[in-house]
Amino acid sequence: KAGVTQTPRYLIKTRGQQVTLSCSPISGHRSVSWYQQTPGQGLQFLFEYFSETQRNKGNFPGRFSGRQFSNSRSEMNVSTLELGDSALYLCASSWIGAGGSYEQYFGPGTRLTVT
Amino acid sequence: ELKVEQNPLFLSMQEGKNYTIYCNYSTTSDRLYWYRQDPGKSLESLFVLLSNGAVKQEGRLMASLDTKARLSTLHITAAVHDLSATYFCAVDQLGRGADGLTFGKGTHLIIQP
Repeated sequence: KAGVTQTPRYLIKTRGQQVTLSCSPISGHRSVSWYQQTPGQGLQFLFEYFSETQRNKGNFPGRFSGRQFSNSRSEMNVSTLELGDSALYLCASSWIGAGGSYEQYFGPGTRLTVT
Repeated sequence: ELKVEQNPLFLSMQEGKNYTIYCNYSTTSDRLYWYRQDPGKSLESLFVLLSNGAVKQEGRLMASLDTKARLSTLHITAAVHDLSATYFCAVDQLGRGADGLTFGKGTHLIIQP
């Protein structure tokens, strides 16, 4: 079974621009979560989508948004980029069963550099 | 607010030695995860602990969970250089994934010959 894929893997943008990152979950997984990893703040939860609905969002400004499509693929968008948005953005997919959420499988990440 | 604390944050040890990484969390949860991250790479799942008293072992790594003490440990036996990495514990507070995982700051482990 193919793992979680993320595109692009690397991205360089300038301040004020916007960026869209893409994530394809493991086949059959309907939950997709996004995380931001920086040296200073560590790993922080951005948002989670399940069946095209955002179920929860972390403590990030409204410049960070996302969506999920009917095939469970997800995109996240960051508008008006700031230098502090430079980070590794990780997508994780999981299967939701009767017992709740199961293990989250992480993609390779997108390394975003804002100059 | 759920807080997850790992210690130590940095650990340098010699090959062949044993050591334990501790993960404390602040609220009730019975789902705890351990991940490994190599430099520049993503997170690799090591263990999923889903109940009090759960113990899992893979090679030289063993993880355990005590939900009453809100503590998980990752024990390394007879360390080898290949285990050098950053190790994260993470908690899924409500067990439904929607609230995301709350991660500890990670333990940067260096194993020297």
